[in-house]
Amino acid sequence: QSVLTQPPSVSGAPGQRVTISCTGSSSDIGAGSGVHWYQQLPGTAPKLLIYTNNNRPSGVPDRFSASTSGTSASLTISGLQAEDEADYYCQSYGSSLTDYVFGSGTKVTVL
Amino acid sequence: QVQLQQSGPGLVKPSQTLSLTCAISGDSVSNYSPTWNWIRQSPSRGLEWLGRTYYRSNWFNHYAVSVRSRITITPDSSKNQFTLQLKSVTPEDTAVYYCARSSGNFDFDYWGQGTLVTVSS
Repeated sequence: QSVLTQPPSVSGAPGQRVTISCTGSSSDIGAGSGVHWYQQLPGTAPKLLIYTNNNRPSGVPDRFSASTSGTSASLTISGLQAEDEADYYCQSYGSSLTDYVFGSGTKVTVL
Repeated sequence: QVQLQQSGPGLVKPSQTLSLTCAISGDSVSNYSPTWNWIRQSPSRGLEWLGRTYYRSNWFNHYAVSVRSRITITPDSSKNQFTLQLKSVTPEDTAVYYCARSSGNFDFDYWGQGTLVTVSS
């Protein structure tokens, strides 16, 4: 059902780097309005992690970074920590026709 | 600091209308910049944007195609809140429903706490 495709899960040991991919199309990511990333801890609402490709809201650690190219985007967590264990979602906006779309979500496990 | 506080029933019978309210503090529903949104999340459908309302000299609404025939989002400036109504619900509408603010960046920067709505007789 989700429009943007993400891997179901990724894992890494503390201190390692993990990358989550997000694949869309010319109707959403490729439309150029930016890709945003959210972190969702169990039982809580998603929290904005990265906005407009690679900008961090105040309070988000700089170990989180993202990039966008064409119809795909990626989120990188450098120096993985135990508290990073959560679900991560990408999101974009296409047009008034496609509106807001979300990724399928990726569960990050810290080994 | 913007806060969104959701309220409404957690159980709705099939064919009835789901109704949730999102009360805003720290911002105004009639401000020109943001839009005010409803999003739901379920295991089968993931995160799904449902619709938004916003004020730009007049009130405007946009709804997702998947629910367009059944959804109404209504702003209330006097109470600084907005309401979701989804009619003719079925068990497929069972989900956690969130209200959220969208800034000019097309992201969702503030979210309500979420309301689990179960559609069951």
